[in-house]
Amino acid sequence: QKEVEQDPGPLSVPEGAIVSLNCTYSNSAFQYFMWYRQYSRKGPELLMYTYSSGNKEDGRFTAQVDKSSKYISLFIRDSQPSDSATYLCAMKGALGGAQKLVFGQGTRLTINP
Amino acid sequence: SQTIHQWPATLVQPVGSPLSLECTVEGTSNPNLYWYRQAAGRGLQLLFYSVGIGQISSEVPQNLSASRPQDRQFILSSKKLLLSDSGFYLCAWSLLTSGRRETQYFGPGTRLLVL
Repeated sequence: QKEVEQDPGPLSVPEGAIVSLNCTYSNSAFQYFMWYRQYSRKGPELLMYTYSSGNKEDGRFTAQVDKSSKYISLFIRDSQPSDSATYLCAMKGALGGAQKLVFGQGTRLTINP
Repeated sequence: SQTIHQWPATLVQPVGSPLSLECTVEGTSNPNLYWYRQAAGRGLQLLFYSVGIGQISSEVPQNLSASRPQDRQFILSSKKLLLSDSGFYLCAWSLLTSGRRETQYFGPGTRLLVL
């Protein structure tokens, strides 16, 4: 079983829809959770960073963490064609000098105008 | 502000040839540095990380090696490339700040095709 599971998609939705992206994980030592957005042929860019269970909002993006269920989500409201990208979840534990991240496979999202 | 550079952006190499990919970070000191490989349609695989000059940790046995000759320079190398080395190579940096809040920032990547 992989440490982090993420549905690779592809996911295609119309412009303006609410998008829900999800990851599950098996390692209860994970304490910090991130979402990265990666446009085609580019490096990933950090979108959201969360620590505690609950919701964190930033503009049209909301990150949700449920540590009891080992489940994290990213919601995109009023989706735009410019949101079309691959979204990667990532997580890490609290120990270790290099703070290694474990990534999900990534979900490819297309927003249709 | 910090910036991270990678070059070359794209590389096509024959099997058996050597490889050298370079990554440099500006605007920060003593960063942690990372090399990842991303195969088509797959997640990121951590190859190497470094917490300081000359300190390299390898995550998976492979045909590649890494070096950190300077504080903000990270090099990925191979003596003889294999077909399976093809992929998108990403360099990342991070800083351990107070409270262990630390995240990684990625470079633009190098696309390597081994023929």
